[in-house]
Amino acid sequence: AQTVTQSQPEMSVQEAETVTLSCTYDTSENNYYLFWYKQPPSRQMILVIRQEAYKQQNATENRFSVNFQKAAKSFSLKISDSQLGDTAMYFCAKAGNMLTFGGGTRLMVKP
Amino acid sequence: NAGVTQTPKFRVLKTGQSMTLLCAQDMNHEYMYWYRQDPGMGLRLIHYSVGEGTTAKGEVPDGYNVSRLKKQNFLLGLESAAPSQTSVYFCASSPGHSGNTIYFGEGSWLTVV
Repeated sequence: AQTVTQSQPEMSVQEAETVTLSCTYDTSENNYYLFWYKQPPSRQMILVIRQEAYKQQNATENRFSVNFQKAAKSFSLKISDSQLGDTAMYFCAKAGNMLTFGGGTRLMVKP
Repeated sequence: NAGVTQTPKFRVLKTGQSMTLLCAQDMNHEYMYWYRQDPGMGLRLIHYSVGEGTTAKGEVPDGYNVSRLKKQNFLLGLESAAPSQTSVYFCASSPGHSGNTIYFGEGSWLTVV
């Protein structure tokens, strides 16, 4: 079974600082897609960023960027200039035949 | 835009009762999914469908059945609810292959007592 692992159950960061969330995964595929989703207290699942495995360039979306290391099967999320609204659960996910999620990292942004 | 709509949003069931969760999407998506999320955990796939009339098992299919009679609807059934099925259920849809973004509904809170 494919697995996605997030080794940091909880993290905190001061407002305006930078934080990096870790994710590793297991796969035998060469082409696949990786995602980071944000889940605020409302429980809504919000897509943060998407990475195609065959692209070497790391994806970026405004304050959010990834460090994709294909050989190491690592896909970390960097949040720059953290804002209070970034407080949420963050899930890493890998798409193959189905979308498999990691266990999540709870991020708290402190004022 | 409605996107992905789940009905009902909240439900309390007694052990052994049956119920159906309805998911509707208005984006003409081929793929639809049902996930469950237990406290402090990520989402686990129950069943999915790659098109009208098709269904397939996910990671945790036991105790659930699904149907996709119409492209826009994906039903999740619990024939005999158990306390272990207390969870938040998410429906999702996507246009097609694995690289496409998956759009989620707002979740359905189910408690089995």
